[in-house]
Amino acid sequence: DVKVTQSSRYLVKRTGEKVFLECVQDMDHENMFWYRQDPGLGLRLIYFSYDVKMKEKGDIPEGYSVSREKKERFSLILESASTNQTSMYLCATGVTWASNTGELFFGEGSRLTVL
Amino acid sequence: AQRVTQPEKLLSVFKGAPVELKCNYSYSGSPELFWYVQYSRQRLQLLLRHISRESIKGFTADLNKGETSFHLKKPFAQEEDSAMYYCALETSYDKVIFGPGTSLSVIP
Repeated sequence: DVKVTQSSRYLVKRTGEKVFLECVQDMDHENMFWYRQDPGLGLRLIYFSYDVKMKEKGDIPEGYSVSREKKERFSLILESASTNQTSMYLCATGVTWASNTGELFFGEGSRLTVL
Repeated sequence: AQRVTQPEKLLSVFKGAPVELKCNYSYSGSPELFWYVQYSRQRLQLLLRHISRESIKGFTADLNKGETSFHLKKPFAQEEDSAMYYCALETSYDKVIFGPGTSLSVIP
């Protein structure tokens, strides 16, 4: 069974704080993704990474950064949290497009509230 | 621009009735399309992918490149089908984007 583990299920932070969301996978997948999930907007891609130290911006990267120092770990960083970043954050992993499988495996999510 | 749209936010059907969840996409390359489902208090998971041409839990989806659509269908809805459904597009650069989702409610 693929395991995608997000370290924090619930976080409450104050405006301006630096926030780290961690995601670890145990399946040796090349690709890792960070999405935020909001009612009515669905899942929006923040960043993704196709290899260690490689990253690509998604559709809403503003206010976020990422780090992938090891293949199994992908971190999302909010340098200065704002109230409009209150959301559910989902991490996902998968193999490359070339492998033609395409399935993403998701973590349970991290619900962040910024006060 | 790459985009996935799902026109219905909410869809309610009676048990035993047919279900169709609509999905349209825009992508200039060759699309890989998927349906994901999220049941209450569970993780998002893959339901089916167009390349497999499979039927999962009675659901099927056909890719129509002319209409740029990938609608999800089931002939007879069951109560356990109540969930949030997301259509997703994978580009040739490993980027996967999702639509806004449709919440399906099956009424007993």
